[in-house]
Amino acid sequence: LAKTTQPISMDSYEGQEVNITCSHNNIATNDYITWYQQFPSQGPRFIIQGYKTKVTNEVASLFIPADRKSSTLSLPRVSLSDTAVYYCLVGDYTDKLIFGTGTRLQVFP
Amino acid sequence: DTAVSQTPKYLVTQMGNDKSIKCEQNLGHDTMYWYKQDSKKFLKIMFSYNNKELIINETVPNRFSPKSPDKAHLNLHINSLELGDSAVYFCASSRSGGAPGELFFGEGSRLTVL
Repeated sequence: LAKTTQPISMDSYEGQEVNITCSHNNIATNDYITWYQQFPSQGPRFIIQGYKTKVTNEVASLFIPADRKSSTLSLPRVSLSDTAVYYCLVGDYTDKLIFGTGTRLQVFP
Repeated sequence: DTAVSQTPKYLVTQMGNDKSIKCEQNLGHDTMYWYKQDSKKFLKIMFSYNNKELIINETVPNRFSPKSPDKAHLNLHINSLELGDSAVYFCASSRSGGAPGELFFGEGSRLTVL
């Protein structure tokens, strides 16, 4: 199963764009890249998923280079409420999803 | 209209006791999961059921026994509780044909073993 590596923590200020990069060098052909967000005392919440190139939804954008060995979650104009842990996962629908340590994003006013 | 609901939200008990956590989803999904999140925030899968059938059974002590009476429910029973069982347990569900890896999680059940 592909393992992911992402920064343990990041700090930002309100209104800034935040980019969180995840490395997944051993990603398999059938694997998708999925990002989750977890607030304290809540379960993780699916944010975005992609296979290649760029995906955008109302919450975030996901950039995936051609070799797919990394991906970048982009949060435009963060607010205090975006303070959370962000998990990057890779796998196909048959895999057991493995949540790594995640990236703890702290947004300051 | 909670999608994935777990009860109880908090559970404090003594070592050696037996306890259960219940999970229900009203999303019509056919696969349900139990995840454990320890004090270091690592989130690990424990079990997965598809249409009441056990699909994934990670290396979990056999003191943990999941039960799925129907595809909308997946309960977790824990026998002879130990201090190391203290954690937050999350139930989740997913649907066949949905986005690969899109799970819907409950709010979690915080278990404290004294």
